[in-house]
Amino acid sequence: GAVVSQHPSWVICKSGTSVKIECRSLDFQATTMFWYRQFPKQSLMLMATSNEGSKATYEQGVEKDKFLINHASLTLSTLTVTSAHPEDSSFYICSATYRAAKNIQYFGAGTRLSVL
Amino acid sequence: AQSVTQPDIHITVSEGASLELRCNYSYGATPYLFWYVQSPGQGLQLLLKYFSGDTLVQGIKGFEAEFKRSQSSFNLRKPSVHWSDAAEYFCAVGVAGGGNKLTFGTGTQLKVEL
Repeated sequence: GAVVSQHPSWVICKSGTSVKIECRSLDFQATTMFWYRQFPKQSLMLMATSNEGSKATYEQGVEKDKFLINHASLTLSTLTVTSAHPEDSSFYICSATYRAAKNIQYFGAGTRLSVL
Repeated sequence: AQSVTQPDIHITVSEGASLELRCNYSYGATPYLFWYVQSPGQGLQLLLKYFSGDTLVQGIKGFEAEFKRSQSSFNLRKPSVHWSDAAEYFCAVGVAGGGNKLTFGTGTQLKVEL
């Protein structure tokens, strides 16, 4: 149980284009979803927290207009990297919690974004 | 604000040897404590968690961790390491009323020698 699916696992795009990453909770309703960014051989940096039906809460220093987060349903959240540039290349990971286990985050497998 | 320190960036052990990964946290009250494991290019898998109660917690894959309030530590242990345990291990702390946010340590890379 508590499976989180993330798609795509790897994406390459040209500089200036936008990329959408999906995060789905497959067997539970996710009350909260989190988006992280991880640089090579470094820890996870929380980018934003999203609750279903409400606007995402971004961490300090994260550009809201660059990283658009939509949590349209209890099983789906999306992260759109707008006008991507090479410095946006990174590993993006989502996680989700559900009401009965709200203090435990279940993670997706991550998305490797490479911007050329 | 809470913080997590994992003092060891890299650890190498022989297969079959015991393992202990260190984690220290900074927080005024009792936090929620977690250990996650990450294989290369993958997301994080929850190994075990501590919320309250018995300070020795058992997790998956034969791992255990002990919460020591006096030392602000939550070290991860395994009696006998398998080659498949080679991965990155992250300690994380959450706090009550913290919106379920986690603060992660910088991770410990485990290498297992055959």
